[in-house]
This record gives sequence, C-alpha cells and structure tokens, in this order.
Amino acid sequence: EIVMTQSPATLSVSLGERATLSCRASQSVSSNLAWYQQRPGQGPRLLIYGASTRATGIPARFSGSGSGTEFTLTISSLQSEDFAVYYCQQYINWRTFGGGTKVEIK
Amino acid sequence: QVQLQESGPGLVKPSQTLSLICTVSGGSISGGNYYWSWIRQPAGKELEWIGRIYTSGRTNYNPSLKSRVTISVDTSKNQFSLKLSSVTAADTAVYFCARENPSHDTTIDSWGQGTLVTVSS
Repeated sequence: EIVMTQSPATLSVSLGERATLSCRASQSVSSNLAWYQQRPGQGPRLLIYGASTRATGIPARFSGSGSGTEFTLTISSLQSEDFAVYYCQQYINWRTFGGGTKVEIK
Repeated sequence: QVQLQESGPGLVKPSQTLSLICTVSGGSISGGNYYWSWIRQPAGKELEWIGRIYTSGRTNYNPSLKSRVTISVDTSKNQFSLKLSSVTAADTAVYFCARENPSHDTTIDSWGQGTLVTVSS
C-alpha cells in the first residue's frame, strides 16, 4: 500500500497570505496525485488532479506541483472560504489518502 | 449537476452486515463512463477508499477490505449500494458515496454529504 504523508498537520495563515501544503508518497506515484478540500459537515471537493491540473470551477489561486514522491498545493492569497482541511490522494495503485492539513485562521 | 445521497441505518451491531444505499440524482447512473465509489472516514482519521463499481457491474475493492465488501448497482433505481459484513467497532465511520470521473483521471469529482455509521451493541 502506498502511504501518503501530509505536512504540516495544521497551518495557521492570515487572510490574503500564501499557504503552502506538502504531501509525500512512500513510493513514486508519477503525476497520479489529487488534492481535495473538505469543509465541516461536507464531502470533499476536488481541487487538483494530475498533480497540477485544476478541476472545473476551481479558482486560479489554487495551484499544484510536483511529481514522483513530493507534491505541493499552494493557495496564493487565502480567502475566508479557503479555511478547511486539505487532503492529497494517490491513484496510481488503487487509492490512498493523506492524513490531511487543516488550514486555520491566524 | 449530479448529486449523491447516502442512506441507511446509523447503528449496526458487531458481527452484523452494514448496508448503505447511494441515490444518484441529476443524471443517469448508466450515462457516461463513470465509476461509483464508496469511501469512509473514521473520526479523526484519514479517508479510506473502500471500492467502486462500473455500470457494467465490474468491481474493484480495497485489498484490505475485499473479503468483507460487496458493491452492487441498480440502474433502474439510479442507485448503488455497499454491504460490509462482520463489522466491528473499527468500522465505525462516516461513509461517503462518490463518483470517479475518467475525464479527471478517475479522481473523485462528486461526493455525497456522508452518513455516520456506528458499530455498537
């Protein structure tokens, strides 16, 4: 099983600031990496797939990068609706998720 | 826009079978080359992919759960279902139904709200 590790567990950021979230895979997943956003009481929302392709309707302030085992999700200027939990997921070998990064207001 | 809604008992006794249904609205479950999936999330833990079904009936399961899981589809009702047998407290979780979209690398582009299932006597 491919283990996905996210860091940090919690990220405190001010409105308008940049947030950088990391995800590491225990073995190479090439570019088969997705990012999701989950707000309380809701199902996750697809943000990024193929490591760097924004899903339909996702604002340009969200960007993904990386390949192999190291990946990054960047939110360029945090808006109030961006405070949530973010998960990475690999889909080269079935599907496994990271433990999540909670982005909270500083 | 497709919407998914989970339904089923919120409480299941240990050793029994957990059964959930996902109703799909806003589109036909048979339309398009989608996979229909189940994912769960124990409190405070990461998401765990359980398995998926294609509209042809072909299934794929998480190897760690494969011996206990059955996913089926009822195209006449626009629903798909999950059965998980021999449950224990470790199966207590929020269960989500979802859609995997090949246009998005078969990532999960639509999710239900989730339903909490507690395993307890």
